[in-house]
Amino acid sequence: KNQVEQSPQSLIILEGKNCTLQCNYTVSPFSNLRWYKQDTGRGPVSLTIMTFSENTKSNGRYTATLDADTKQSSLHITASQLSDSASYICVVRAGNNRKLIWGLGTSLGVNP
Amino acid sequence: NAGVTQTPKFQVLKTGQSMTLQCAQDMNHEYMSWYRQDPGMGLRLIHYSVGAGITDQGEVPNGYNVSRSTTEDFPLRLLSAAPSQTSVYFCASSDGTSGGSSYNEQFFGPGTRLTVL
Repeated sequence: KNQVEQSPQSLIILEGKNCTLQCNYTVSPFSNLRWYKQDTGRGPVSLTIMTFSENTKSNGRYTATLDADTKQSSLHITASQLSDSASYICVVRAGNNRKLIWGLGTSLGVNP
Repeated sequence: NAGVTQTPKFQVLKTGQSMTLQCAQDMNHEYMSWYRQDPGMGLRLIHYSVGAGITDQGEVPNGYNVSRSTTEDFPLRLLSAAPSQTSVYFCASSDGTSGGSSYNEQFFGPGTRLTVL
């Protein structure tokens, strides 16, 4: 069964600290993996997309990694800011029917 | 560009009432979709459209209807509201169909929070 699991479910860190969010998937065949940021009361916004051949991709203070062999991805946030408080959702697109499989998200809180 | 807009932002219905959630995009995107987001569950696809005049069911279509008469608009109709339809509804659009490029980013609206009593 195609699934996307994210950990931790929630996380609280101090402003300025780094953190890493995890995404494990069992989607096969794999097409791509995208990380979204969802602020409270708003729709998701794409941070980055990872394809099979990409290991690392950065978008400002956000760095995503992908290990296609172990079917794991991570999102590393550097020097966190209060505005990073949000839910971060991992979504994997299947390569056959192009269906999107959404994770439940990690809720990140950044405290001053 | 306004992007993807949704109205209303909040809505309370009584069981059995009908209503239409509005969605519009000004990016000339071919692909539009409706999702619902519930606590403890990932985003679930209700209906989608790959272009004007073409719609199809997602994974949770029961109780909802859609139509796509123009590229810009994709309304979602609740035929007879039930408490199980209490949720946050998101409309999204992307450039290209789901059968085309698989890399296209979906742009989401701000959502409609619906409560059915």
